[in-house]
Amino acid sequence: AQKITQTQPGMFVQEKEAVTLDCTYDTSDQSYGLFWYKQPSSGEMIFLIYQGSYDEQNATEGRYSLNFQKARKSANLVISASQLGDSAMYFCAMRGISGSARQLTFGSGTQLTVLP
Amino acid sequence: DTGVSQDPRHKITKRGQNVTFRCDPISEHNRLYWYRQTLGQGPEFLTYFQNEAQLEKSRLLSDRFSAERPKGSFSTLEIQRTEQGDSAMYLCASSPGLSLNEQFFGPGTRLTVL
Repeated sequence: AQKITQTQPGMFVQEKEAVTLDCTYDTSDQSYGLFWYKQPSSGEMIFLIYQGSYDEQNATEGRYSLNFQKARKSANLVISASQLGDSAMYFCAMRGISGSARQLTFGSGTQLTVLP
Repeated sequence: DTGVSQDPRHKITKRGQNVTFRCDPISEHNRLYWYRQTLGQGPEFLTYFQNEAQLEKSRLLSDRFSAERPKGSFSTLEIQRTEQGDSAMYLCASSPGLSLNEQFFGPGTRLTVL
């Protein structure tokens, strides 16, 4: 079974500052992928960034980077230079490739509020 | 628009009624997923199709729920004899047939059962 834990129900950050959203995971799969999605109040899930378990370098996509620490089973999202439009719910998710693990398993999310 | 689309966006129904939702995935994606999201929670997996074959169903998918993808393109999710506990956002996602690819989500159908 796979499990994602997000321990920060809500986070506040000042505009233009950086913020880290925490995510820890648990899986028995040797090969897996870690994802972060953004969900604005409109409801759609927007893909942000992906990290493969065998990728040696941390993934980056524009202002988003993923701090992947495999031994600690953590995959924190770092947003640099926060913008007001970054205010949203953020979900960490994972997916394995063994057995019946085709679907994404999501955490409970972190509500990020960017303050002007 | 070439993204995932869902219809309707909102549905209000009375307890005991049947409802059907539709999802149109990105055209070249052969994998299609249904998730359910309740308020304040992350999405939970319901079922998964590869082309027209329904390969996996979650234990969350009770006998009142049925999903189809008859021609490997669009999919429908039907809920029979709706209950108030069925009130949630129903999300559809699609992905190409490669392992570990991200899933692209539609805007969701918000169901309210009165």
